[in-house]
Formats: sequence, structure tokens, C-alpha cells
Amino acid sequence: GAGVSQTPSNKVTEKGKYVELRCDPISGHTALYWYRQSLGQGPEFLIYFQGTGAADDSGLPNDRFFAVRPEGSVSTLKIQRTERGDSAVYLCASSSEATVNTEAFFGQGTRLTVV
Amino acid sequence: DAKTTQPNSMESNEEEPVHLPCNHSTISGTDYIHWYRQLPSQGPEYVIHGLTSNVNNRMASLAIAEDRKSSTLILHRATLRDAAVYYCTGSYNNNDMRFGAGTRLTVKP
Repeated sequence: GAGVSQTPSNKVTEKGKYVELRCDPISGHTALYWYRQSLGQGPEFLIYFQGTGAADDSGLPNDRFFAVRPEGSVSTLKIQRTERGDSAVYLCASSSEATVNTEAFFGQGTRLTVV
Repeated sequence: DAKTTQPNSMESNEEEPVHLPCNHSTISGTDYIHWYRQLPSQGPEYVIHGLTSNVNNRMASLAIAEDRKSSTLILHRATLRDAAVYYCTGSYNNNDMRFGAGTRLTVKP
């Protein structure tokens, strides 16, 4: 089947606007991760879902960021009142198990640009 | 959590072995060590992972120190396609992975 799919691939938005970024994980994968990556840096952890619940959201930078996974498959990362500092590539990954004793598969990312 | 430290960059010649080091001195006994690599404009790609024993797969080998405070990713024969940023990560609470800045590997023909 298909790998992890992220849409849109690119998003340009104005400062202060609301955006949603979508992640379609590999079918059957229970674990889903969101990261963001700024130029020249490694991926920064945001949130981890196990099924429908957020098992660890300690990486969300502030309350403007929120993520959901209502049916345990597709996930949406929501950013309110976007700021120029939110510009980055947002990466989603999924894996078949709850623990990290397994391979995680990453999508190609969504490049968010806030102007 | 398992913070990792890697050299910023390394160079290798094509067809030669490459040893990429990683320090993870704060790793806990149940944290797995993962290696991923990232090519330009792509998401990270899994390379290998392990807990205590050395691991081999078709892409690479992972040598884990006996005290688990460091590990080394070994590419047995580097090719130009191996040029990428290599990330050593430790799992956090045995659930998710935290990435550092990685090592940018340049392979010279």
C-alpha cells in the first residue's frame, strides 16, 4: 500500500490566519507522530498519538497548536493565529506498534510558509 | 530522555566504510537507539535500530557500546546515494523519538 501521505505539500498563509495540515498514516498503524523541522535542524517532536489519544503532547510549543486523530487513522495538525516563526516543514510519521522497537515511516512533509 | 550528540559533519570516499558515531550518555535501560537518514527535500528514512546487541541489516550495521552510552552506525561501502544527514535518536519513555541535529555525510567520488 501507499506510504504516509501529507497534504498539502506546500502551504502559504498570512500571519494571523488559521491552518490545518493533514496526515494519512499507513493503514493499520496505531502510532502517529508529528514533528516540525526548520532549515538546517533536525526534526523537533511535537506530539505522539497512540490510537485516538494523544499519548504525549509535550512538544507542542504553545496553545496555538493542536492536533486530533478522531478515528485513530487520519490526523490533523491545527495552528491558530499563525506567526512567521511557525514557518517550517511539518513532518508526520507512523509506526505499527506503540513502542519504538519498530520502524517509523515518514511522509514527505508539508512546507508551511507564514508571510 | 535520551539526548544524543553527533558530529556536525563527516566526509567519506566512495566505496570505503564509514563509521558514524553517536553519544547518548543519558539513555535509560529500556530506550532503543534508532538511526534515520534524510536526503534533501525528503522525510527521514529508517536505517536501523537496536537495544543492546549489535545489529545488521541490508543497509548498515549498528555497533552499541557495552555501557550503551554510545553507538556507531557503520556503512560498509559508502556510495554517492548515501550522502545524507544521519540522525541518531533515543526513544523517550519508550514511546516516541527525539532527534538532534544529525551528522551531514558527504561522499566523495
